[in-house]
Amino acid sequence: DVKVTQSSRYLVKRTGEKVFLECVQDMDHENMFWYRQDPGLGLRLIYFSYDVKMKEKGDIPEGYSVSREKKERFSLILESASTNQTSMYLCASGQGTRNTEAFFGQGTRLTVV
Amino acid sequence: AQKVTQAQTEISVVEKEDVTLDCVYETRDTTYYLFWYKQPPSGELVFLIRRNSFDEQNEISGRYSWNFQKSTSSFNFTITASQVVDSAVYFCALSEGGGSTLGRLYFGRGTQLTVWP
Repeated sequence: DVKVTQSSRYLVKRTGEKVFLECVQDMDHENMFWYRQDPGLGLRLIYFSYDVKMKEKGDIPEGYSVSREKKERFSLILESASTNQTSMYLCASGQGTRNTEAFFGQGTRLTVV
Repeated sequence: AQKVTQAQTEISVVEKEDVTLDCVYETRDTTYYLFWYKQPPSGELVFLIRRNSFDEQNEISGRYSWNFQKSTSSFNFTITASQVVDSAVYFCALSEGGGSTLGRLYFGRGTQLTVWP
């Protein structure tokens, strides 16, 4: 069974904290993605990576950074968490081709208080 | 501009009714792929189907069927004889382009389907 695993299911952090969301995939996929999901807005792409140490901004990168030091791991970093970053965060991985689906983790529901 | 539009935000039906979820996409590429995903209350997105731009044949899988029409840029999803377990958010997605964006999916905003017993 293919697996994308996110380190936490639920997370509560304080405003101003540095937050790390971790994601690991076991499928040797080139691409990895971070989305946030908010009611009425669907899935919005924050960042994606098509190779180790490579990254591309998505549609809403402000306030976030990412790290991909190893092929299987893609981290999302909130440098200074704010309440408007309270959301569901979804990690996904996929092969670097148009015709393959992305596989998703179970999501991390982050609350910033 | 949205590349994928799901105009229906929420749909409610009673069990055994048929329901169609609409998806309209926009792309300039001649080669592209369309996808449907299901997100049950547990939260994890589950892949349902992939269709490439050169294959306009409709597909049926059990109670699920998909209607792809390039002329109207639509890729609609029908559930026949709906069941309570079909209650979920359904997302339509598009994959296009090349270079470093190869493999990126553009998602619609999703349709919340509720099936009542």
